[in-house]
Amino acid sequence: GENVEQHPSTLSVQEGDSAVIKCTYSDSASNYFPWYKQELGKGPQLIIDIRSNVGEKKDQRIAVTLNKTAKHFSLHITETQPEDSAVYFCAASLKAAGNKLTFGGGTRVLVKP
Amino acid sequence: DSGVTQTPKHLITATGQRVTLRCSPRSGDLSVYWYQQSLDQGLQFLIQYYNGEERAKGNILERFSAQQFPDLHSELNLSSLELGDSALYFCASSVVAGQNEKLFFGSGTQLSVL
Repeated sequence: GENVEQHPSTLSVQEGDSAVIKCTYSDSASNYFPWYKQELGKGPQLIIDIRSNVGEKKDQRIAVTLNKTAKHFSLHITETQPEDSAVYFCAASLKAAGNKLTFGGGTRVLVKP
Repeated sequence: DSGVTQTPKHLITATGQRVTLRCSPRSGDLSVYWYQQSLDQGLQFLIQYYNGEERAKGNILERFSAQQFPDLHSELNLSSLELGDSALYFCASSVVAGQNEKLFFGSGTQLSVL
């Protein structure tokens, strides 16, 4: 089955700096890659997603890039703010597998004021 | 608010007991997914239902079972509980299955087995 690796496991940045989280996936047939943000005591919240026919997608301060050849995708957060502090999860899904998501291990991001 | 409702928020029980976790999907969503989140295992897929039928199975123990009812709410039953079953259990829903639809998660049920 699909396997998703996520790095780093923890990331500390100064407010205003950029944060980058990287993920690799194993199944070349995976075609949907969402990113979730999980705050303490809450469920994962979808923040951005990208499909395999697109190389990059941006939404305000967050962007995601996808390299299908290398089977990796990344989340970029610019101008980080304290409210960006959370655990971020990447995931991959395969249409043929019924849309179930396989998650990476998560990255705990701390934005220092 | 994702629109996915999970009850109860917290559950404390003893080893060997049985519990039922409940999930109401977003209005209009036909597919329900159950995930387990523990400190050392991350988010693990357990099982998926679509319009009342089991669609996919993941790392779900035989002691665990689930079902989706005609009104589309779902229940996850955990029996013969062990200490290692302590975790956050999330339900997610999507409109359809198999078309890379977005999954929306509930706030989870924190299960503590003592």
